[in-house]
Amino acid sequence: EVQLVESGGGLVQPGRSLKLSCAASGFTFSDYNMAWVRQAPKKGLEWVATISYDGSSTYYRDSVKGRFTISRDNAKSTLYLQMDSLRSEDTATYYCARHVDYGYTDYFDYWGQGVMVTVSS
Amino acid sequence: DIQMTQSPSSLPASLGERVTIICRASQGISNNLNWYQQKPDGTIKPLIYYTSNLQSGVPSSFSGSRSGTDYSLTISSLEPEDFAMYYCQQDASFPYTFGAGTKLELK
Repeated sequence: EVQLVESGGGLVQPGRSLKLSCAASGFTFSDYNMAWVRQAPKKGLEWVATISYDGSSTYYRDSVKGRFTISRDNAKSTLYLQMDSLRSEDTATYYCARHVDYGYTDYFDYWGQGVMVTVSS
Repeated sequence: DIQMTQSPSSLPASLGERVTIICRASQGISNNLNWYQQKPDGTIKPLIYYTSNLQSGVPSSFSGSRSGTDYSLTISSLEPEDFAMYYCQQDASFPYTFGAGTKLELK
């Protein structure tokens, strides 16, 4: 059974840092691209970042570029999101999601339960 | 960025009813449109990928289609567990973008 379990969330002051983790199990982690998707309170879903299966390529939304870093440790089957210079608008539930890429389409076939990040003084 | 306009934002409906949710992209996305369901506890699962392909394990009451620039999700006969939030998402290009969501609620 595929499982994605996020951790590392919490309350943090503006300008500070936080690192999220996503522990994957039930599949060969190193075969899949992975992503972080977030959801601000009472709002919709927003893609944040994607990393290729081997970590060689990364993609970010503009609003987090230069502040967030997505990475992975395939030996530990773990995905990370390092979040620096946090802003109040980064307050959200952060979901880890697995990409499935059939070549002609690329969507998120498994999602974690999410971890809450609150940026406030 | 590709903007996804989803409608309606709220959809009151009854058990057994047929409903349709629409998404329109701000530019061509060549069928690269996916649908997700989010339950009140936050659980998210895919329903339809590449416009009309049913994700494994999803009931056949769910279907997806395209007419021109409009992409649709249809539920043919509502069951109690179908009342949830629904989101469309394009994967034609980064940044991947989602529609604002449709809350399907019991009338």
